[in-house]
Amino acid sequence: DIQMTQSPSTLSASVGDRVTITCRASQSTGNWLAWYQQKPGKVPKLLIYKASNLESGVPSRFSGSGSGTEFTLTISSLQPDDFATYYCQQYSSYWTFGQGTKVEIK
Amino acid sequence: EVQLVESGGGLVQPGGSLRLSCEASGFTFNSNAMSWVRQAPGKGLEWVSAISGSGGNPYYAGSVKGRFTISRDNSKGTLYLQMNSLRAEDTAVYYCAKAGSGSYWLFDFWGQGIMVTVSS
Repeated sequence: DIQMTQSPSTLSASVGDRVTITCRASQSTGNWLAWYQQKPGKVPKLLIYKASNLESGVPSRFSGSGSGTEFTLTISSLQPDDFATYYCQQYSSYWTFGQGTKVEIK
Repeated sequence: EVQLVESGGGLVQPGGSLRLSCEASGFTFNSNAMSWVRQAPGKGLEWVSAISGSGGNPYYAGSVKGRFTISRDNSKGTLYLQMNSLRAEDTAVYYCAKAGSGSYWLFDFWGQGIMVTVSS
């Protein structure tokens, strides 16, 4: 099974900050990597697919990069609506989520 | 508009059974693979099971294999998850998710989720 490890687990940041979250896979997933955003009590929302493709309707301040075993999600200028938990997920071989990164207000 | 509506959750005793349903609309149901993903209280997301658009090729996470069965009725536009031999650690919100087109199944739309509580 492919294991996904996100870092950090928690991130404290201010509005306007540039934020980067890292996701590492235990073996190569190619580009088959997605990022989701989840707010408390809400449904996960797809942000990025195939490592770097922005889902329709997602603000351009979100971007994804990487391939193989190392991936990043970047928020170029953090907005109040972005405080949430973010999950990476590989869909190369079955499906595995990272443990999540909570982005909280500093 | 795509809609996924889960039902069938609730409180069940350890060792008991429950069947979840997910009624789909707004897309061609038999063209898309479907999946169940769960989230224990205060925890992260865990993939549970997936099934192809035709209903063949079911897949299971190791934690539920042999206890859970995924199925679908394309004539009714409904996805199911039969859960047997339930354990306390199966307590979670269960989400139904639709996969997009393509050979790699990406979960691009999720239902609102249904709570399953396993407790005596």
